[in-house]
Amino acid sequence: GQQVMQIPQYQHVQEGEDFTTYCNSSTTLSNIQWYKQRPGGHPVFLIQLVKSGEVKKQKRLTFQFGEAKKNSSLHITATQTTDVGTYFCAGPRAAGNKLTFGGGTRVLVKP
Amino acid sequence: NAGVTQTPKFRVLKTGQSMTLLCAQDMNHEYMYWYRQDPGMGLRLIHYSVGEGTTAKGEVPDGYNVSRLKKQNFLLGLESAAPSQTSVYFCASSYRRGRDTEAFFGQGTRLTVV
Repeated sequence: GQQVMQIPQYQHVQEGEDFTTYCNSSTTLSNIQWYKQRPGGHPVFLIQLVKSGEVKKQKRLTFQFGEAKKNSSLHITATQTTDVGTYFCAGPRAAGNKLTFGGGTRVLVKP
Repeated sequence: NAGVTQTPKFRVLKTGQSMTLLCAQDMNHEYMYWYRQDPGMGLRLIHYSVGEGTTAKGEVPDGYNVSRLKKQNFLLGLESAAPSQTSVYFCASSYRRGRDTEAFFGQGTRLTVV
């Protein structure tokens, strides 16, 4: 079945630094979604990428969808304490919208 | 709008007891999901539904049953709870197709089985 892998599992970042988290799927995805879960909270939708090679930005967050539509990345610049949380990517299967989530990247920010 | 509402928010069960978790959404979404989240394991899909009266198995369906008798409600049942089912359970819903297919999550149910 479809698998979605994320690396790294944990990311310790000094406040002000940049980092990137990666998402890889075993199958081609119709689209890729990214979610953020704050500690003790629930996942909240951030963005959806649909087109091959698509790049979208949300303030300090840059999302990219690979040319083959099997991988994606999230790059955060000038990390702030508000970026603390777990970032998940999710890929719907082509048949239906069954969302398969990656294991997440837990981001810890050192002030 | 309330979005996705889960009931209850916390529950402690004894091994062998049964319970039902209720998920209700007021966004007229076709798709609904139940996930469990364990430390270091991400979100794993238990069961999902693509419409009223339909259900399907996800990645980890054993020990759980679901029903979707009404479009707005998705119930998750544990017939005989086991300590391995201690977890945080999230319900989510989404539109079937189109631009806006993102999932909206409930606040979660923290279940402990002793």
